[in-house]
Amino acid sequence: GAVVSQHPSRVICKSGTSVKIECRSLDFQATTMFWYRQFPKQSLMLMATSNEGSKATYEQGVEKDKFLINHASLTLSTLTVTSAHPEDSSFYICSARVHGGLSTDTQYFGPGTRLTVL
Amino acid sequence: GENVEQHPSTLSVQEGDSAVIKCTYSDSASNYFPWYKQELGKGPQLIIDIRSNVGEKKDQRIAVTLNKTAKHFSLHITETQPEDSAVYFCAASPAGFGNEKLTFGTGTRLTIIP
Repeated sequence: GAVVSQHPSRVICKSGTSVKIECRSLDFQATTMFWYRQFPKQSLMLMATSNEGSKATYEQGVEKDKFLINHASLTLSTLTVTSAHPEDSSFYICSARVHGGLSTDTQYFGPGTRLTVL
Repeated sequence: GENVEQHPSTLSVQEGDSAVIKCTYSDSASNYFPWYKQELGKGPQLIIDIRSNVGEKKDQRIAVTLNKTAKHFSLHITETQPEDSAVYFCAASPAGFGNEKLTFGTGTRLTIIP
């Protein structure tokens, strides 16, 4: 099956610093990548949708200047949490959708990144 | 927009018995319905999906049924095993070639009792 990786898997940072999370599709090209946030015992909440070479589309209530998304290639998207605060502590998960083919709606998820802001 | 409801929120079944999780959706334009399994501290794993041109799909011990008229779909796991214990999420989206988004249900915590 399609494999999506995320790095780092876990990060602890001080309040006010910026953190970058990478999402890579390892064995396929991704038309679109999605970034989600998940709080404990809750469902996944979509933050933004990104397409290679274009600006990300953010969901209502998500600050685009705080959560910077760069989708530089068909296999790499990055999420940068700028000036992180304790309330940004969460589990961040990316997903990637296959480019072309019959299953263009199938999303494959990465293993997630646990962010803790002190 | 789409709204997906999922029931039950928790489910405990004896090992070897069957488990059923149900979801309803609101948007008649939705025609792609995946199910994901999420283990503690990990990302969701796609276990099965169904598109609106079929009513049922099976993959070994897992099956999904879809009733488009009633706007509901269900996950069936037979001969449950301890490794089936996890949180399961249903989702819905209008399939296509654009930026169609998945709307997730609230999740079901399945516990298999040995």
